[in-house]
Amino acid sequence: QVQLVESGGRAVQPGKSLRLSCAASGFTFSNFAMEWVRQAPGQGLEWVALISYDGKKLYYGDSVKGRFTVSRDNFENTLYLQMNSLRVEDTAVYYCAKVGQQWQPIYPVDKWGQGTLVTVSS
Amino acid sequence: SYVLTQPPSVSVAPGQTARIPCGGNDIGRIGAHWYQQRPGQAPVLVIYYLKDRPSGIPERFSGSNSDNTATLTISRVEAGDEAVYFCQVWDGDSDHWVFGGGTKLTVL
Repeated sequence: QVQLVESGGRAVQPGKSLRLSCAASGFTFSNFAMEWVRQAPGQGLEWVALISYDGKKLYYGDSVKGRFTVSRDNFENTLYLQMNSLRVEDTAVYYCAKVGQQWQPIYPVDKWGQGTLVTVSS
Repeated sequence: SYVLTQPPSVSVAPGQTARIPCGGNDIGRIGAHWYQQRPGQAPVLVIYYLKDRPSGIPERFSGSNSDNTATLTISRVEAGDEAVYFCQVWDGDSDHWVFGGGTKLTVL
């Protein structure tokens, strides 16, 4: 079955960097676009980034553009989110998510990981 | 930027019908998706492209749209349906996914 397991979340000071990983299994990773979505404590969902199946198309939310970089390794079946210049307002649970249709970058998510918590605080 | 508007909360008695609206400009043409998020859990897709239901989602969940509002309808509401429901669209002008603020469904 499809599994998405995030890792890398921890407490970090403002201005620092952090890299999140998402290990994927149970499907042909290289055929599907992937996303990162975050949720601040007690708040709603906020889309962070989207990467096409081949890594050639990248899309970012306005609040992270220029600071975060999404990438993928289709040999290792792993999705990444490099987060630089972290801010207090980046504190959230970060979900890795799989798009529901092969080859299509713009399609709803059909599988989510359980999330990894990033806390940015001095 | 594109905005999706949801009421913060909806309450319904067990066995009744819950309707959760999501307002957005031209949402019928864009196509909205709906996610259910139970407390402490990751979201789950319950309706996509306004009215399509993924496999495994009960037929009690349905979607529709009228004018600039997409609506998630849950018939014969059960206690297990208590969750926050988010609508989502792709804004092609900005190449962004956009979420509504979420509606907490309370089963009385």
